[in-house]
Amino acid sequence: DSGVTQTPKHLITATGQRVTLRCSPRSGDLSVYWYQQSLDQGLQFLIQYYNGEERAKGNILERFSAQQFPDLHSELNLSSLELGDSALYFCASSRTLQRGGPYEQYFGPGTRLTVT
Amino acid sequence: AQKITQTQPGMFVQEKEAVTLDCTYDTSDQSYGLFWYKQPSSGEMIFLIYQGSYDEQNATEGRYSLNFQKARKSANLVISASQLGDSAMYFCAMREVGGSNYKLTFGKGTLLTVNP
Repeated sequence: DSGVTQTPKHLITATGQRVTLRCSPRSGDLSVYWYQQSLDQGLQFLIQYYNGEERAKGNILERFSAQQFPDLHSELNLSSLELGDSALYFCASSRTLQRGGPYEQYFGPGTRLTVT
Repeated sequence: AQKITQTQPGMFVQEKEAVTLDCTYDTSDQSYGLFWYKQPSSGEMIFLIYQGSYDEQNATEGRYSLNFQKARKSANLVISASQLGDSAMYFCAMREVGGSNYKLTFGKGTLLTVNP
């Protein structure tokens, strides 16, 4: 158990709908990352938050948005869903952003999204 | 841009034998971190081992060791005394160290099968 929790574990929805994925980081971790894993694209970085502020954006679609709340949990909002959005969405957390050190990212169990 | 290449889509190994999973990387950064993650069929991403670009010694964590050859830009994972539970997908990843973007860039992975 990595200490990162994600809900829900599975989500099945229809095209055009909107869903919210939730993540709680490990205790003490200020940084949260979202990744998407699909068969064709592999594991891709979406977005990073640190202590409530957006720090970096990757290959995140405009239909997707995220935020990190004062209690450090994060939500990833996916709207106008398309079939191609079906994927495993991971949240990860790590310690501070101080330079040096591994600050490895610990991953949650993921949310498997199926768009029909 | 950072790039991770894992050239072995699949590998087979007999139980109790050692196996090496290949990883090469490309970066113009002087300071970076290299990670290996394991993804069993259940889907979670498990952190295994970390190597910093300035670390002089190869990293080891139990049965896992990282064969780091900086000049060749390779960071191969060695698993000693393979166990059936090692059967999983293995991902090599890189992170820039010192910049403001702490995202991980992943390779496409190697599926390891341990035979009894």
